Amino acid sequence: GENVEQHPSTLSVQEGDSAVIKCTYSDSASNYFPWYKQELGKRPQLIIDIRSNVGEKKDQRIAVTLNKTAKHFSLHITETQPEDSAVYFCAATAPVRSGGYQKVTFGTGTKLQVIP
Amino acid sequence: DVKVTQSSRYLVKRTGEKVFLECVQDMDHENMFWYRQDPGLGLRLIYFSYDVKMKEKGDIPEGYSVSREKKERFSLILESASTNQTSMYLCASSRTGYGYTFGSGTRLTVV
Repeated sequence: GENVEQHPSTLSVQEGDSAVIKCTYSDSASNYFPWYKQELGKRPQLIIDIRSNVGEKKDQRIAVTLNKTAKHFSLHITETQPEDSAVYFCAATAPVRSGGYQKVTFGTGTKLQVIP
Repeated sequence: DVKVTQSSRYLVKRTGEKVFLECVQDMDHENMFWYRQDPGLGLRLIYFSYDVKMKEKGDIPEGYSVSREKKERFSLILESASTNQTSMYLCASSRTGYGYTFGSGTRLTVV
């Protein structure tokens, strides 16, 4: 089955600096890669996603890049702010051929702390 | 805005009790999921359902069962709660299987 590894597990940055979180996946059939942000005590929320036919996607201060050949994808946050402090999860989604549905595998999460 | 509602925010149950965790979504999504979240382990899939009365085992189904009698409701059942099932339980739904909307979670403590 799919294996998703996420690094680092914790990350501290100064306000205004950039933060990068990296994930690797094992199943070459994975075709959709969402990122979720979970603030303390709250539900995970989808913040950005990328499909396998795209190399990069940007939304204001957040960007995601995908390297299909190397099977890795990354989340980039620029000009970090204290409200970016949260746990971030990557995920890889692969079709299950026999079932006609998708299987999502999550990374173990990165706790980002933005220091004011 | 899609809403996924979990019936309880916090639960304390005794070892051996049968526990029901309820999840309701209001956007007619076909796909629903139950995850447990533990520090350092991320989100692990327990069971999921892609249609009414359909269910599939996830990665850690042992000790759990599910029920989906109606499209909007997906229930997770702990047949005989044990202390190693103390965890945060998250329900999620999705129309296509791509991109989830999560509930607020139920923090279950088994004593």
